[in-house]
Amino acid sequence: QKEVEQDPGPLSVPEGAIVSLNCTYSNSAFQYFMWYRQYSRKGPELLMYTYSSGNKEDGRFTAQVDKSSKYISLFIRDSQPSDSATYLCAMSEVKAAGNKLTFGGGTRVLVKP
Amino acid sequence: EPEVTQTPSHQVTQMGQEVILRCVPISNHLYFYWYRQILGQKVEFLVSFYNNEISEKSEIFDDQFSVERPDGSNFTLKIRSTKLEDSAMYFCASGASSGGAGEQYFGPGTRLTVT
Repeated sequence: QKEVEQDPGPLSVPEGAIVSLNCTYSNSAFQYFMWYRQYSRKGPELLMYTYSSGNKEDGRFTAQVDKSSKYISLFIRDSQPSDSATYLCAMSEVKAAGNKLTFGGGTRVLVKP
Repeated sequence: EPEVTQTPSHQVTQMGQEVILRCVPISNHLYFYWYRQILGQKVEFLVSFYNNEISEKSEIFDDQFSVERPDGSNFTLKIRSTKLEDSAMYFCASGASSGGAGEQYFGPGTRLTVT
């Protein structure tokens, strides 16, 4: 079983729709959960960061973590064509001297005008 | 807004040559990382660096790889003798928080092509 699994997509939605993304994981020691956006051949851009379980909202983005199910989600409201990108989930354990991030493979999202 | 910078953006080298990839992390950050992404594959952890020493490294980070923070601003990744399979995007990342927690901010990457 892969440590972090993410549907590769592509996920195609019309402009204005809600984009729903998710990842599952197997390592119960993961405590930090992040979502990154990556445009083609660019660096990952941090969107959301959550510690442990719960919900977090930032503008059009909502991140949810369900540690009991080992399942995390990202919702993008009022999607725009500029949201077209690959979305990566990443997670890490709690360590004193730096956190190694384990990434999912990414979901490609296409928002059509 | 502070950001991580990386140079060069693209490096072409011949197999067996040494390369040094350079990064300038965000200035008040304490934790530094290198990751790589082979085309079409996942982003993979290579190494973490804290308090002037390696704190963790992956199986990929063998004796051909080394990292250094030669001064207060730069963080480098050296590959001693490049192989074809080292061709990838290399990302530097940095994070601020003490205790190891916290977000990681990535640079734009260096595309390494080994011929």
